[in-house]
Amino acid sequence: QQQVKQSPQSLIVQKGGISIINCAYENTAFDYFPWYQQFPGKGPALLIAIRPDVSEKKEGRFTISFNKSAKQFSLHIMDSQPGDSATYFCAASNSGGSNYKLTFGKGTLLTVNP
Amino acid sequence: GAGVSQSPSNKVTEKGKDVELRCDPISGHTALYWYRQSLGQGLEFLIYFQGNSAPDKSGLPSDRFSAERTGGSVSTLTIQRTQQEDSAVYLCASSLLAGGPISYNEQFFGPGTRLTVL
Repeated sequence: QQQVKQSPQSLIVQKGGISIINCAYENTAFDYFPWYQQFPGKGPALLIAIRPDVSEKKEGRFTISFNKSAKQFSLHIMDSQPGDSATYFCAASNSGGSNYKLTFGKGTLLTVNP
Repeated sequence: GAGVSQSPSNKVTEKGKDVELRCDPISGHTALYWYRQSLGQGLEFLIYFQGNSAPDKSGLPSDRFSAERTGGSVSTLTIQRTQQEDSAVYLCASSLLAGGPISYNEQFFGPGTRLTVL
C-alpha cells in the first residue's frame, strides 16, 4: 500500500515558468509534510515543510499548498530556473508515532530548460 | 561542523557476501535513520535509532538486515548473504531530536552508499 502518491513522475518546464508537483496521502495521522530536493549523486536536502494547521507556506520561490480535507499537498516553484533541475520528493510523517520516520512519494524528476 | 557522512560511497559485492555500511551523523544529533532508495522508487524507511536503541525496526526487509549504533553516534548497517535485490542506494539521515518543535526534526541526509550485488 503506497501511503504517499506523487505526480507527475517527470516534468519539463521552461525557464521562468511555474513547476507544480502534487502529492496525496492516505494516513490521516500524518501531521508533518516536508519536500526534499535531490541532485544526482547527493542525498536529499530539505526544501520546505508544513504542518496541517496552515494551508500554505512560502519560502522564496517555493510554496507548499495544503488541503487537509482532500489529503493533498503540492509544491509550487515560481520562476523556475535551470538550477532547480533535480528530483523532488514529498514525504509525510506522524509525530504521534514519536520518531518522525518519513514516508516518501516516488519522486518527480524536474527539468527546467533554459 | 560537517554534515552526515557515509562510507563507502560505492560498494560492489558478490551475491552471498556480507557487507557493512557506515554512517557518521551530525555531532549532537540524537536521532538517526536508515533509508533505502531503489532505482525508480522513493525512499523506504528501514530503521530508526534514538541514542543507541532502535525502537523502530519495522522497515528492515528481512532478518539478513541488522543495524547498530554505538556511543550515540556512528551507526553500521549490516546485510548478510547479500542478494541481487539488495542493490540500492542506502541513505542515512540524522536529526537533532525526534519529536518536539518542527525545526528539531529536520532530517539531514548523507550522500548515500551505492550497493551493487553481482
